[in-house]
Amino acid sequence: EAGVVQSPRYKIIEKKQPVAFWCNPISGHNTLYWYLQNLGQGPELLIRYENEEAVDDSQLPKDRFSAERLKGVDSTLKIQPAELGDSAVYLCASSTSGREQETQYFGPGTRLLVL
Amino acid sequence: AQSVTQLGSHVSVSEGALVLLRCNYSSSVPPYLFWYVQYPNQGLQLLLKYTSAATLVKGINGFEAEFKKSETSFHLTKPSAHMSDAAEYFCAVSYSSGGYNKLIFGAGTRLAVHP
Repeated sequence: EAGVVQSPRYKIIEKKQPVAFWCNPISGHNTLYWYLQNLGQGPELLIRYENEEAVDDSQLPKDRFSAERLKGVDSTLKIQPAELGDSAVYLCASSTSGREQETQYFGPGTRLLVL
Repeated sequence: AQSVTQLGSHVSVSEGALVLLRCNYSSSVPPYLFWYVQYPNQGLQLLLKYTSAATLVKGINGFEAEFKKSETSFHLTKPSAHMSDAAEYFCAVSYSSGGYNKLIFGAGTRLAVHP
């Protein structure tokens, strides 16, 4: 079974430029998460989807970040415009459902460097 | 609020020695607890999880963790370290908030294994 796929793996951009990350979850997983991981820290949730509905986006900086999950499968996270402080790893995860005991399966992440 | 504290951002052991990574949680309800491992430039991989069944949980790669409610701890151990165990380890607590679950990670512990 294929795991969570993310692309690109690495991205270098100049500040004020837009950037987008793509995630393909494990087949059949209804719940999809985007996390932000700063250097030396644990992941922090940005947004969570149940199928195509964003059910928790309270930590998403909506002035510059946006996300979508069309058809309830793949998802895209966008930053426009990027700032220096956005340099981090962006992780996508999926699970079969959103129950507390469900295991979240993580992709390899996209490492973003903003210059 | 729920939280996770991992004591020791860096732990160094000799190959063959006992590995002990500490995790304490704060939760107002019975928690679900997870340990994840992250190898360089990779996503997080589940080592083991506690879901209110047995208090001693066995995971992959010879790791195990014991849930101690009285101490609010969920420490990770392995009897004999291998060089391949060198990685970052994250403890996480999952709980329900507003009808949806949240996974809160600790800051992580970087394990170094030397010959």
